Order: sequence, then structure tokens, then C-alpha cells
Amino acid sequence: AQTVTQSQPEMSVQEAETVTLSCTYDTSENNYYLFWYKQPPSRQMILVIRQEAYKQQNATENRFSVNFQKAAKSFSLKISDSQLGDTAMYFCAFMKLGGSEKLVFGKGTKLTVNP
Amino acid sequence: NAGVTQTPKFRVLKTGQSMTLLCAQDMNHEYMYWYRQDPGMGLRLIHYSVGEGTTAKGEVPDGYNVSRLKKQNFLLGLESAAPSQTSVYFCASSFTAGTGGLGYTFGSGTRLTVV
Repeated sequence: AQTVTQSQPEMSVQEAETVTLSCTYDTSENNYYLFWYKQPPSRQMILVIRQEAYKQQNATENRFSVNFQKAAKSFSLKISDSQLGDTAMYFCAFMKLGGSEKLVFGKGTKLTVNP
Repeated sequence: NAGVTQTPKFRVLKTGQSMTLLCAQDMNHEYMYWYRQDPGMGLRLIHYSVGEGTTAKGEVPDGYNVSRLKKQNFLLGLESAAPSQTSVYFCASSFTAGTGGLGYTFGSGTRLTVV
């Protein structure tokens, strides 16, 4: 079974600064996907970024980028130029390639961006 | 509006009562899922379905039943509600295997309180 660990229950950052959220995972699979989801107070689950494990290049989406270290089973999220609207819960998630596309989530990191 | 719709959005139940949560999607997705979210626990998979007429257990299935009689609907039932089932419930849907999470769509959640 796969497990996802987010070791930072809460973090804070000043507006316009950079913050990194950590995620590690455990799996015996070789082909999989990793995700970061954002959950603002509205409760909606929003996909931030997705990484395919077979791709060595780290995924980026505007101010969001990841540091994917497959051998270390690490998948951190970097948010640059933090904005007040980035305040949210962030969940790291794992999906095995093929099968039923079930997501395995970490426990989440609550990020607060301070003005 | 295209997407995943959950009904109801809020509900308070007394211990021992039963209820059904409805999830409807209009994207012709094959796969559907029910997750629960508890503070400090992330999202955990309750049950899922890979097509009309099919259901399977997830990580935390006890106390819940599901049905997928129509492709667009996935029902989650609580036969005898317990306070431990107080949670926020999310439905999600996905096209099919091999999409790697692309198009994975969440509903806006149902907050259930069992007193």
C-alpha cells in the first residue's frame, strides 16, 4: 500500500516571499503520478500541479513548481511570490498508473500568507 | 454547469438515523469516488466505482454502502449513522484508467454532523 507523508501541519509566509511545502511518499510502484491540491476555505479541491514519475523534468505552473526526487521519494512544492489568495490547505497525493485512479492523500499542510 | 454536484451540502443527523448522499456528474466519466475528510487526516477513500453497476471498497468502507445504478450517479448510504461518521464527504469523478488524473473533478463537499 502507498502512503503519503506531509510533515508540516502548518506553515506561514510573508506576501511576495517564497515557501516550500514538503511531501514524501512510500511505494513499490515504478509508474505513478504525484499531485498537489489546494483547498481554500471554500472547501473546493483545486489541482495545483501534477508530476508524472517517468518524467525527470520537474513540473511548473506559473508561480508553482515542484522538486521531484524519485529515488528519495520526495515531492516538494515551491510557491514563489506568495499571494494572499494562496492561503489554503495543501494536499500532496499519489496515484498509481493504471487501475482505478484512486488518489492517496497526505494529511495536509495549512499555509497562511501574511500581508 | 458541467461538473460534479453533491446533494445535500449540509446535514445534521441523529445517531442511528440513515441517509443517502447523492453525487451526480454530467461529464460522462466512467470512474466515481467517495472520500471523507477529517481534521488532520487528509482525504481517505471510502468506496469507488469503475463503471455503471460496479462498486469496490476503499480504505475506510465500514458503515457505508454505495450504489451506481446509473453512470452519472453515485450514491453513498449510511444505514445507522454514528458520531464517528461526522465528516466532510467529497465525491469525485474521472474519465477512465490511463488518464493519470487529468480531468479528475471533485464536488464541493457535504458537511455531515452526527449528534
